Amino acid sequence: DQQVKQNSPSLSVQEGRISILNCDYTNSMFDYFLWYKKYPAEGPTFLISISSIKDKNEDGRFTVFLNKSAKHLSLHIVPSQPGDSAVYFCAATRVWGNQFYFGTGTSLTVIP
Amino acid sequence: DSGVTQTPKHLITATGQRVTLRCSPRSGDLSVYWYQQSLDQGLQFLIQYYNGEERAKGNILERFSAQQFPDLHSELNLSSLELGDSALYFCASSVLSLGVGTDTQYFGPGTRLTVL
Repeated sequence: DQQVKQNSPSLSVQEGRISILNCDYTNSMFDYFLWYKKYPAEGPTFLISISSIKDKNEDGRFTVFLNKSAKHLSLHIVPSQPGDSAVYFCAATRVWGNQFYFGTGTSLTVIP
Repeated sequence: DSGVTQTPKHLITATGQRVTLRCSPRSGDLSVYWYQQSLDQGLQFLIQYYNGEERAKGNILERFSAQQFPDLHSELNLSSLELGDSALYFCASSVLSLGVGTDTQYFGPGTRLTVL
């Protein structure tokens, strides 16, 4: 049972434009969410996180939005750069829980 | 470089065999996590160790086992291998343990296992 879903396997965006990656979850008990970025032949690297007490968290070009009523989060990258081309995984957990649940990933291609 | 090392990078073996994957966490990290990523799947949590003790279990098969040694490195043992066990196996480490708050997990580059 996939508790975290990323329904878009891939996304292509022009350099300089906004990239929006989406993620849905089913478990209303999740209260902490993360985005990881993965380049080929490397492990995922932490990008940004958000607690359920917030609806937005920003870090430079990266912003994560959380809509708890819709059980939906999104990652915005503005402006997109070719170096952002990677697979992005969203993950969810409970702060006092016992595991992280990952989505299947979205492959982002930023076209120069 | 996350500071987490995994060996070997690639492993090719036959069905029915047993293999051991090794992970060394970042310096100072006490928790080690194992994940499996099969084709077109997300990362599936297998098991977590904290300072030598098992702390959390996910969807780990009975044919799989793990341990964390006093020097904090961890090994994942996969036995009676089946074709469906072919996957990328990631190890991650963090300072804290799950269940005591959130903590960033740092991932190794993974071991690609191919079962023929």
